[in-house]
Amino acid sequence: GEDVEQSLFLSVREGDSSVINCTYTDSSSTYLYWYKQEPGAGLQLLTYIFSNMDMKQDQRLTVLLNKKDKHLSLRIADTQTGDSAIYFCAEGDSSYKLIFGSGTRLLVRP
Amino acid sequence: DSGVTQTPKHLITATGQRVTLRCSPRSGDLSVYWYQQSLDQGLQFLIQYYNGEERAKGNILERFSAQQFPDLHSELNLSSLELGDSALYFCASSVAGTGSGNSPLHFGNGTRLTVT
Repeated sequence: GEDVEQSLFLSVREGDSSVINCTYTDSSSTYLYWYKQEPGAGLQLLTYIFSNMDMKQDQRLTVLLNKKDKHLSLRIADTQTGDSAIYFCAEGDSSYKLIFGSGTRLLVRP
Repeated sequence: DSGVTQTPKHLITATGQRVTLRCSPRSGDLSVYWYQQSLDQGLQFLIQYYNGEERAKGNILERFSAQQFPDLHSELNLSSLELGDSALYFCASSVAGTGSGNSPLHFGNGTRLTVT
């Protein structure tokens, strides 16, 4: 069945790059998303990538997609303390719902 | 601010009770989705409505029901509440009937339900 997996925790120093990884199982996924959740808030859409793309860059964010390995990553350059949050990877196909991973908690140390 | 409004922000109630969660989608969005976020189950898709009609069902219990009204706001009704129903309930909306890249889901800030 459909499944999205992420590591649970990542700790980096302020100014370093963060790389959050995600694997998914559904080969019919058409879009893959990254959402950010700060404490007490909802999920904020960060970026998404269409499945026929390899890479997408948006300011400090770089998304890499390896469709063969069903592996997605989110790189945050120059990570700031304000980037501390939970990051969710999600896959969407031609159906009507997104399947979310369990989220990666990013802690940015000063 | 995503433009999706959920009320109330917090709800505390007792087992066996019934509650209603409300969601107003972003202006122009026709689809509303409900998700449940709990510590042990993560984010689970419950149900989707598109322009007033039920479009897709996920892991929604029979004790739960939802509807979307002509003005496109939606309500999620939870009845015969159990301790395990304590969770964050999120509403999301999108323009189209599918959560595609050019019609991504935008989430509200959620309603935190505590069942005691």
